[in-house]
Amino acid sequence: AQSVTQLGSHVSVSEGALVLLRCNYSSSVPPYLFWYVQYPNQGLQLLLKYTSAATLVKGINGFEAEFKKSETSFHLTKPSAHMSDAAEYFCAVSDRTGANSKLTFGKGITLSVRP
Amino acid sequence: GAVVSQHPSWVICKSGTSVKIECRSLDFQATTMFWYRQFPKQSLMLMATSNEGSKATYEQGVEKDKFLINHASLTLSTLTVTSAHPEDSSFYICSASSRGYEQYFGPGTRLTVT
Repeated sequence: AQSVTQLGSHVSVSEGALVLLRCNYSSSVPPYLFWYVQYPNQGLQLLLKYTSAATLVKGINGFEAEFKKSETSFHLTKPSAHMSDAAEYFCAVSDRTGANSKLTFGKGITLSVRP
Repeated sequence: GAVVSQHPSWVICKSGTSVKIECRSLDFQATTMFWYRQFPKQSLMLMATSNEGSKATYEQGVEKDKFLINHASLTLSTLTVTSAHPEDSSFYICSASSRGYEQYFGPGTRLTVT
């Protein structure tokens, strides 16, 4: 079984400040890990993914995440927040079963950016 | 590439009626499509997984007879909510996959049952 834990439901940062969104996972096999962003009333957009290559993964919009096996973590960071980053962020883990690989999502974190 | 569309984006229906939501992969063939449900301020809950030409596999607790899923082609899957009730009001999101582990998500459909 696999699971994702995103601690806290809301993170607020000032514009220009560091963004850090935490994600811890549990998986019985080496995981594939994903971060998605969701804007109000829209679907999910992939920010970045880890698929067992480089442990530091760079994504779109200046986001990056580091896979740390020893800590079972995949935290999302961005050096300088922008107002447009305000959204809901979901971490997800794949069960890697092949054609029908399912995603298990964390409960999500709302990011607010203060002017 | 890897664009998934949903239609309609927003629908209101009366209690007791049925409503169909379409999910299309526009520029790739989707061997597998997934249907999710999302309540306000909550995460996505997987409802079912469907493969082209096969019956959908439903997650535990999801009523198969209420949420009918058809995956008739490699680019189209439909979700029909039968005899809809106000508690079925939700945001429904589909995703499509052609390479196993990566899913491409549609923009979602907001269903309101009055």
